[in-house]
Amino acid sequence: QQQVKQSPQSLIVQKGGISIINCAYENTAFDYFPWYQQFPGKGPALLIAIRPDVSEKKEGRFTISFNKSAKQFSLHIMDSQPGDSATYFCAASMGTGRRALTFGSGTRLQVQP
Amino acid sequence: NAGVTQTPKFQVLKTGQSMTLQCAQDMNHEYMSWYRQDPGMGLRLIHYSVGAGITDQGEVPNGYNVSRSTTEDFPLRLLSAAPSQTSVYFCASSSPGGPNEQFFGPGTRLTVL
Repeated sequence: QQQVKQSPQSLIVQKGGISIINCAYENTAFDYFPWYQQFPGKGPALLIAIRPDVSEKKEGRFTISFNKSAKQFSLHIMDSQPGDSATYFCAASMGTGRRALTFGSGTRLQVQP
Repeated sequence: NAGVTQTPKFQVLKTGQSMTLQCAQDMNHEYMSWYRQDPGMGLRLIHYSVGAGITDQGEVPNGYNVSRSTTEDFPLRLLSAAPSQTSVYFCASSSPGGPNEQFFGPGTRLTVL
């Protein structure tokens, strides 16, 4: 049972373009939605996160859009750069006690120069 | 600070062998967890611990054991390795309060023949 569904599986974007990755969740008890970035041979690292009480969060070129009624959230990378080429995972967790993350399946982003 | 460290980086086992994957963190984080990463499946939680002496099962615990005798260390034991346990294993830690930011180690790539 996949509680967090992520699409697309892979994405190719030209330098300067906008990269968009989408996720949908099923469990309405989730209350924290992070995005992790992973470079080859490395562990994932937190990129940006949002809570369901806001519809958008922006940090530099990275923006999360959140639609609570649709149970969907997305990552937008503006002015994509070759250095952004990595695998991106959306995730979700509930409460502050357990802190376990449920991950999406990942999106491999390639930004072409 | 070294953050989260994992050893070994690579390991090849034969079916039926046992081994321990080591994980240590120097951030005084109470919460630690183990994930496995498989292509197209994201990261899945194996076991987690909310503090020394306390462990619990995650999504895919079968075939793995954990213990937490100190805050710093959280080893993962494979009792009798199977080819289905071929994967990349990540250890993560986080502090109990505030945002659920998980800090991941560099991973252990395990192959079971």
